Amino acid sequence: AQSVAQPEDQVKVAEGNPLTVKCTYSVSGNPYLFWYVQYPNRGLQFLLKYITGDNLVKGSYGFEAEFNKSQTSFHLKKPSALVSDSALYFCAVRVPNRDDKIIFGKGTRLHILP
Amino acid sequence: NAGVTQTPKFRILKIGQSMTLQCTQDMNHNYMYWYRQDPGMGLKLIYYSVGAGITDKGEVPNGYNVSRSTTEDFPLRLELAAPSQTSVYFCASSRDRVSQETQYFGPGTRLLVL
Repeated sequence: AQSVAQPEDQVKVAEGNPLTVKCTYSVSGNPYLFWYVQYPNRGLQFLLKYITGDNLVKGSYGFEAEFNKSQTSFHLKKPSALVSDSALYFCAVRVPNRDDKIIFGKGTRLHILP
Repeated sequence: NAGVTQTPKFRILKIGQSMTLQCTQDMNHNYMYWYRQDPGMGLKLIYYSVGAGITDKGEVPNGYNVSRSTTEDFPLRLELAAPSQTSVYFCASSRDRVSQETQYFGPGTRLLVL
């Protein structure tokens, strides 16, 4: 069965430090992978996606993610965290032409400490 | 463009009552979705639609119904509310299957069933 895991419920990082939010997946076939961010009392906002090509994907607000097929991971990263990055982050996966729906992880709450 | 709008923002229901959650998008998107988000959990797909007149079940459709009479509107109906339906409900849309991964989310409806 397709699944996506975010092993950390929350991550705390000091402002200015690099941040990583982890995501691993389990699918058969070539996955499409995404990161979404949710600010308080708002819907999810698309950050970035990997479909094919370069394993390092750059997205909105200075975020990037690295697709690692051997480790089945798609970790979200940012070189220098901002307090405004504090939010709930969701990893998601879709296998094209199979079931055709997106599966979301349970989310990781990111706290950036001033 | 207003994007995806949802009403109401918050509602309290008694067990056994019914209600309709409204969702409208003004981007002329073909695909629309309803998700529920429970604390500490990712989003679960309730129903989705690939176009006017076409709907299909997601992961957790029991207790819900949908209709899609127009491209713009995708209401979600709860017929007999139960405490297990206490959740935050998000409506989303995407242009088509190819760009399905880039979904646009509404601000959510918080539902409490007592």
